[in-house]
Amino acid sequence: GIQVEQSPPDLILQEGANSTLRCNFSDSVNNLQWFHQNPWGQLINLFYIPSGTKQNGRLSATTVATERYSLLYISSSQTTDSGVYFCAVAYSGAGSYQLTFGKGTKLSVIP
Amino acid sequence: ETGVTQTPRHLVMGMTNKKSLKCEQHLGHNAMYWYKQSAKKPLELMFVYSLEERVENNSVPSRFSPECPNSSHLFLHLHTLQPEDSALYLCASSQDPPSVYNEQFFGPGTRLTVL
Repeated sequence: GIQVEQSPPDLILQEGANSTLRCNFSDSVNNLQWFHQNPWGQLINLFYIPSGTKQNGRLSATTVATERYSLLYISSSQTTDSGVYFCAVAYSGAGSYQLTFGKGTKLSVIP
Repeated sequence: ETGVTQTPRHLVMGMTNKKSLKCEQHLGHNAMYWYKQSAKKPLELMFVYSLEERVENNSVPSRFSPECPNSSHLFLHLHTLQPEDSALYLCASSQDPPSVYNEQFFGPGTRLTVL
């Protein structure tokens, strides 16, 4: 099956700093989503971005499908940005509807 | 209520108990999913329903029994679970059909502990 690797696994930031999270995947994908899982377990949709670039406030994401990676940018980080960020992909070659998740990047923003 | 809701949010049960998890979506979707998130492991898909019919079962043990009575509700019936079944159970929904192209939206999850 498809492999999804996220880096870095852990990240500690000072409030106000910027960061870039990376997601590499091993095959062509038809769906790529970024999620933020808060400390209570809720998965919050950030971006649906199988290709191209999107921005939403302080967050933006870019997926370069031909090179099989996606980047999530967080600018001017806040303590509420803390949590785990997941990249998840789906591809028609799998023959299923499954979103395959990476192991996540755990972000801690300190005041 | 908006989005996807799940109840209960926390559940502690013994290995001989029978319990059910409930999911409700208010997004007008027709596809629903159960995922399991165990400690230190990526989320794993358990079941997929499309228009109330099960379309995927990812080799899940029979002690987990899903039910989808209508397109807005999804249940996961639990019986004779094992301690290793302790996990966060997440429900999701998407537009139908549940193709790889459709964005999935998740509920807050039920944190299950099996004693």
